[in-house]
Amino acid sequence: GAVVSQHPSWVICKSGTSVKIECRSLDFQATTMFWYRQFPKQSLMLMATSNEGSKATYEQGVEKDKFLINHASLTLSTLTVTSAHPEDSSFYICSARSGQSYYEQYFGPGTRLTVT
Amino acid sequence: GQQVMQIPQYQHVQEGEDFTTYCNSSTTLSNIQWYKQRPGGHPVFLIQLVKSGEVKKQKRLTFQFGEAKKNSSLHITATQTTDVGTYFCAVPRSNDYKLSFGAGTTVTVRA
Repeated sequence: GAVVSQHPSWVICKSGTSVKIECRSLDFQATTMFWYRQFPKQSLMLMATSNEGSKATYEQGVEKDKFLINHASLTLSTLTVTSAHPEDSSFYICSARSGQSYYEQYFGPGTRLTVT
Repeated sequence: GQQVMQIPQYQHVQEGEDFTTYCNSSTTLSNIQWYKQRPGGHPVFLIQLVKSGEVKKQKRLTFQFGEAKKNSSLHITATQTTDVGTYFCAVPRSNDYKLSFGAGTTVTVRA
């Protein structure tokens, strides 16, 4: 089946620094990837849609200058949290659709970010 | 925001018992998906329902789509410890078809 990886799986950073999270589709090409944020005991909230070769589409209330998304290839999307603050601490999950199924999303294992 | 209401938020089940989680929408849905997220893990796709009144089974899990395509349920029989986790329903948004997730039902099992 389709596999999506994320790196790192967890990261601790100091307030004010930037953190880059990678999302890769390992065995399929993904023209579209999605970035979600999940706070403890809450649901997944879509942050942005990453489109290969074009600018990302951000959800209302998500600062595009703070959460930089780059979809450089059909298998890689990156999310950079710039000038991180403790309130950015969360579980960040990416997902991707394969060409085999237009509706099924394959989720990465997630990245747990802690900002101190 | 979320387009579906999912209840209950928590479900504590005795091992071997059955339980059901529900998703309700005020609008007609084109389809609905169900995902399972184990503690500390990521969501895993379970199934998609498309047709009115559709019922699909996966071993001890039974998924149902309402006749009006406004609600769905997931019923688990003879709950096992492996069923622990949070079950989310997800529906396509009306304007762009990106997924909107329900609040989830977190299931714990008493042995």
